[in-house]
Amino acid sequence: GENVEQHPSTLSVQEGDSAVIKCTYSDSASNYFPWYKQELGKRPQLIIDIRSNVGEKKDQRIAVTLNKTAKHFSLHITETQPEDSAVYFCAAEGGGGTSYGKLTFGQGTILTVHP
Amino acid sequence: NAGVTQTPKFQVLKTGQSMTLQCAQDMNHEYMSWYRQDPGMGLRLIHYSVGAGITDQGEVPNGYNVSRSTTEDFPLRLLSAAPSQTSVYFCASSSRGPTEAFFGQGTRLTVV
Repeated sequence: GENVEQHPSTLSVQEGDSAVIKCTYSDSASNYFPWYKQELGKRPQLIIDIRSNVGEKKDQRIAVTLNKTAKHFSLHITETQPEDSAVYFCAAEGGGGTSYGKLTFGQGTILTVHP
Repeated sequence: NAGVTQTPKFQVLKTGQSMTLQCAQDMNHEYMSWYRQDPGMGLRLIHYSVGAGITDQGEVPNGYNVSRSTTEDFPLRLLSAAPSQTSVYFCASSSRGPTEAFFGQGTRLTVV
């Protein structure tokens, strides 16, 4: 099955700095890569996603890049703000057939943005 | 539009007890799944379903049972609770895709 590795496990930045979180996946058939943000005591919520036919996607201060050949994808947050502090999870899904509806998550990154 | 609704929010069980975590969605999503979240381990898939009457095992299915008799509901049954099942459980649903998964608010389960 799919295996997703996420690094770093914790990330501390100053307000206004950029933050980068990286993930690798093992199943070359995976074709959907979402990123979720989870605030303390809350449910995970999608912040951005990318499909395998796209190399990069941007939404305001958040961007995601995908390298299918190397099987890794990254989340970039620019001009970080204290409200960006949360746990971020990458995930992979796809491969067709019975793989749909099955998300494999990374271990999570605790991002702390210091004012 | 309620989205994905889980009940209860909190539960304490004694070892050996059984219980059912409820999950309902009102978005007519085909796919539903259950995850457990433990510190440092992300979310791990327990069981999932691609439609009414169809279920399959995920990464950590032992000790759990599911059924999907309707599109809306996907209950998770703990057959005989064990302390190792202490966790936060999330139900999620998504439409045929792959596409965004919507999560319920979670159930914090403690087995003593």
